[in-house]
Amino acid sequence: GNSVTQMEGPVTLSEEAFLTINCTYTATGYPSLFWYVQYPGEGLQLLLKATKADDKGSNKGFEATYRKETTSFHLEKGSVQVSDSAVYFCALSDRGAGSYQLTFGKGTKLSVIP
Amino acid sequence: GAGVSQSPRYKVAKRGQDVALRCDPISGHVSLFWYQQALGQGPEFLTYFQNEAQLDKSGLPSDRFFAERPEGSVSTLKIQRTQQEDSAVYLCASSLVSGTDYNEQFFGPGTRLTVL
Repeated sequence: GNSVTQMEGPVTLSEEAFLTINCTYTATGYPSLFWYVQYPGEGLQLLLKATKADDKGSNKGFEATYRKETTSFHLEKGSVQVSDSAVYFCALSDRGAGSYQLTFGKGTKLSVIP
Repeated sequence: GAGVSQSPRYKVAKRGQDVALRCDPISGHVSLFWYQQALGQGPEFLTYFQNEAQLDKSGLPSDRFFAERPEGSVSTLKIQRTQQEDSAVYLCASSLVSGTDYNEQFFGPGTRLTVL
């Protein structure tokens, strides 16, 4: 079956620090990969996506590259801000699964301190 | 509406009661998904609709869980004879199209169910 493993949290960083949240996946087909973010008190929002190998998704200074050879989709940001404090979820959608349901990791809570 | 809405936002039920959770997807969205998110975990798939047809219910944990979308818009997730292990946040998501390898799912705020 499909699964997503992401780095355990919580992660606490100082403002302007470099962020990496690791994500690896297992899929029976050829999945699309996503990062979703949940800000405090808000619903899940799509942060970025990549649909094929070597694609780089980017948004709001965050980037992630679809690495098929290492089955990874690590999230990075060069300089985090306090406003980036949230829970980040790595997810996949397997086009072979029919319903395109999302399979999520457990989430990584990020806290950025001034 | 502007986004996916869910009601109620919070529900407290006594063990054994039936509950009904409502989801209003974004107008015109063909696909609708329900997920269950336990505390400290990622969302887990429950069921999927394409218009009014329930095409996948493989994630429903037991036959106490039932979902419907009779007119292809609003959906209701019903849980019969609730148990404590049903306590979770129930998320609804909708997407514009179906049958594509990328479909952005837009999530509602969720309903937090607590079973006492």
